[in-house]
Amino acid sequence: AQSVTQLGSHVSVSEGALVLLRCNYSSSVPPYLFWYVQYPNQGLQLLLKYTSAATLVKGINGFEAEFKKSETSFHLTKPSAHMSDAAEYFCAVRRNNNDMRFGAGTRLTVKP
Amino acid sequence: GAGVSQSPSNKVTEKGKDVELRCDPISGHTALYWYRQSLGQGLEFLIYFQGNSAPDKSGLPSDRFSAERTGGSVSTLTIQRTQQEDSAVYLCASAAANYGYTFGSGTRLTVV
Repeated sequence: AQSVTQLGSHVSVSEGALVLLRCNYSSSVPPYLFWYVQYPNQGLQLLLKYTSAATLVKGINGFEAEFKKSETSFHLTKPSAHMSDAAEYFCAVRRNNNDMRFGAGTRLTVKP
Repeated sequence: GAGVSQSPSNKVTEKGKDVELRCDPISGHTALYWYRQSLGQGLEFLIYFQGNSAPDKSGLPSDRFSAERTGGSVSTLTIQRTQQEDSAVYLCASAAANYGYTFGSGTRLTVV
């Protein structure tokens, strides 16, 4: 079965520092992978998606993620954290029957 | 409407009562999903509707939970004889194709 594992339930970085949120997937077929962000008291918003067109995917707000088949990873990065990036981030994989399974989420805290 | 609409946004109910949560998907989206997000937890898949196909109910936690989707549009999630462990944010999402979802803002259910 396809699933995702997010390493680290909580990540804290300083403003301006690199953001790295880890996601590993398990899939028997080439996956569709996604990152979603949830700001406090809001719904989930799509950050970016991987659909096999390119291994490096650029999303909104300066985030990007690289699909690495050899490592079964889809880590989310941003070169320089901003205070407004503080949120919960979810990695997800789309299964063959078109439903999405999410990781447990990583809460990002940005320190001034 | 422009997005996925969920109502009510907040619901407080007494233990043992039945509740109905409503989701209005984006017009034309054939797929509709319900997820549950408990405090400090990730997203738990509940049920998935795709067009006129039989729904995937594999995520419903007990027979107290049921959902309908009328006319391929509006969906109602019903929880009978609510328990305190049912307290969570219930998220609805819709999708038009095999890519990312659009989420509603959720219904925060509190069972007292």
